[in-house]
Amino acid sequence: QQQVKQSPQSLIVQKGGIPIINCAYENTAFDYFPWYQQFPGKGPALLIAIRPDVSEKKEGRFTISFNKSAKQFSLHIMDSQPGDSATYFCAASMIYNQGGKLIFGQGTELSVKP
Amino acid sequence: EPEVTQTPSHQVTQMGQEVILRCVPISNHLYFYWYRQILGQKVEFLVSFYNNEISEKSEIFDDQFSVERPDGSNFTLKIRSTKLEDSAMYFCASSVGGSWDNEQFFGPGTRLTVL
Repeated sequence: QQQVKQSPQSLIVQKGGIPIINCAYENTAFDYFPWYQQFPGKGPALLIAIRPDVSEKKEGRFTISFNKSAKQFSLHIMDSQPGDSATYFCAASMIYNQGGKLIFGQGTELSVKP
Repeated sequence: EPEVTQTPSHQVTQMGQEVILRCVPISNHLYFYWYRQILGQKVEFLVSFYNNEISEKSEIFDDQFSVERPDGSNFTLKIRSTKLEDSAMYFCASSVGGSWDNEQFFGPGTRLTVL
C-alpha cells in the first residue's frame, strides 16, 4: 500500500517530442506528489509537485496530470530537449506525516536524442 | 545557491566494519533525512530527524543504523557492522519544515561499497 509504481523504466524520444512518464499509487492517504529530476553524479532535485485537489499543474515545459479516481499521475515534458536527459522519479507523501517521508517510484531514465 | 554536501563521495569498507557517512545540510533547514538507493532500484526512505531526535524511520533502519547531529552543521549516518547488502548510494536531504510540501533538497550522495 505504501508503493508508488512508475513506468516506463526507460524512454527514448527525439528532440521536440513529448515524453510521458506514468505513476500509480494505492494509498489514498497520499496527498502530495512531487517529481524529482536526477542527473548523473547528482542527487534528486525537485522539478514540480501537485496536490490531489487539482487535475493539472504546469511549470514551464513540465506538466503533471493527476487522476484522483484512478490513483494515477503523470509527467509530460513538452518540446523535450537533450538537456532534459536524466532520470525522473515520481514520489508521494502524506500531509499528516510530519516526518516528511517521501515514497519514490522506481525511476525512469529519459534520453532525448538531438 | 545553498546546497547539501556529503562526504565522502565514495566509501569502500569491509563487511563487519563501521562506517560514518557525513552530511552538511543547508544552514537554515531544520529537518534532515537519509535515503538510500541500491544500484538499479528506487530511492528508499531510511530516517527523518528533527530537534535532535528521530521523527520517523523505515523498517530498513534497524539497530545497525544510527543518526546524529554532533554539532550545529553536520548530520551523520552510522552503520555499525556493515553487510554486503548495505552497498548502495546514500543520499542526505534537508528541508526548512517537515510537512509534506516543504521541498527536500538532496545532496549528491555517498556511494558505499561493502566488500
